[in-house]
Amino acid sequence: AQSVTQLGSHVSVSEGALVLLRCNYSSSVPPYLFWYVQYPNQGLQLLLKYTSAATLVKGINGFEAEFKKSETSFHLTKPSAHMSDAAEYFCAVSDRPGGFKTIFGAGTRLFVKA
Amino acid sequence: ETGVTQTPRHLVMGMTNKKSLKCEQHLGHNAMYWYKQSAKKPLELMFVYNFKEQTENNSVPSRFSPECPNSSHLFLHLHTLQPEDSALYLCASSQDRAGGRTGNTIYFGEGSWLTVV
Repeated sequence: AQSVTQLGSHVSVSEGALVLLRCNYSSSVPPYLFWYVQYPNQGLQLLLKYTSAATLVKGINGFEAEFKKSETSFHLTKPSAHMSDAAEYFCAVSDRPGGFKTIFGAGTRLFVKA
Repeated sequence: ETGVTQTPRHLVMGMTNKKSLKCEQHLGHNAMYWYKQSAKKPLELMFVYNFKEQTENNSVPSRFSPECPNSSHLFLHLHTLQPEDSALYLCASSQDRAGGRTGNTIYFGEGSWLTVV
């Protein structure tokens, strides 16, 4: 069985500061891992995904995430926050290539202060 | 524009009404999904269709009735809903394959905001 836990339902950072959103997963097989972002009044869109090609994954808008098997983590980072990064971020895990069994975390809302 | 279009974007309905949500994907995908997103709850997968066949129903009440006439269209028929069914309903699609580590991405529509009064 798979599961994903996002630590912190709300994270607040100042503009220009480091963004760190935490995600831990549980999977009995090598996982596929995803980060999605949801802007207000929109659906979710993919930020980045891990499919075993490289442990450090770069995504859109300057975000990246590192897969750490020993820590069962897939934390999302961005060196310098921008006001436009304010949104809700979802970590997701799947145990197969397709989307059928993708499990989403509860989400972390990112606030960016001027 | 994600390639997944949902209509209507907003719907208000009474508990005795019958309405439908529509989803269309222009990505050539074979799998389509309905998710429910409520405040303070994780994203809930409701139904999965693969090549028009329902492959998953996550114990969804029968007042929600999905229909998938072809791989590009998905409907969610609603009847005798309850106020707690008020939520954002997200349609999504993906191109799934039986093997390989392609980690196919789920593409979401912008959602239909449903309010049951």
